Amino acid sequence: AQSVTQPDIHITVSEGASLELRCNYSYGATPYLFWYVQSPGQGLQLLLKYFSGDTLVQGIKGFEAEFKRSQSSFNLRKPSVHWSDAAEYFCAASNFGNEKLTFGTGTRLTIIP
Amino acid sequence: EPEVTQTPSHQVTQMGQEVILRCVPISNHLYFYWYRQILGQKVEFLVSFYNNEISEKSEIFDDQFSVERPDGSNFTLKIRSTKLEDSAMYFCASLRGPNYGYTFGSGTRLTVV
Repeated sequence: AQSVTQPDIHITVSEGASLELRCNYSYGATPYLFWYVQSPGQGLQLLLKYFSGDTLVQGIKGFEAEFKRSQSSFNLRKPSVHWSDAAEYFCAASNFGNEKLTFGTGTRLTIIP
Repeated sequence: EPEVTQTPSHQVTQMGQEVILRCVPISNHLYFYWYRQILGQKVEFLVSFYNNEISEKSEIFDDQFSVERPDGSNFTLKIRSTKLEDSAMYFCASLRGPNYGYTFGSGTRLTVV
């Protein structure tokens, strides 16, 4: 069955430190891959997406993600986090760009001063 | 930036009552979706809608659920007879086309009592 796994339920990072959130997928072929962020009480905002091509994808708010086929991973990174980055982060995948998304369980990010 | 609008933001209903959750997708988008997130759980796909018909639905989307796009702008999710386990955040999403990312609304929190 197709699945998306986010191994880290909760991560705490100091403000200004670097961040990496992990995401692994299990699909028959390389899926379309997405990262979304959800602030408390808010909807899901698209950070970035990977469909094909360059495996390093730049997104909004200074985030980037790297697709690694050999590891079935699509990890999200940010060189220096800000307090406003505290939120829930979801990795998601779909077979095609207009098919249903399968979400991971999310990683809650806490930023400490 | 165009948004997907969902109303109401929060609805409380008694078990067995019918509820209609409303969404206004982005005007030039062609694909429409409903997802739900039970508290503490992952975001789950419910149904996708394209060209005025359901294109895919999940096991969750049983006969108690229905969707409509009655007037070319609104996209509604109806739950005919709510159960306690329907309590969740319901997200509407729309998509311009397969090479674009989904845009999610801010959600409707449904509480069934």
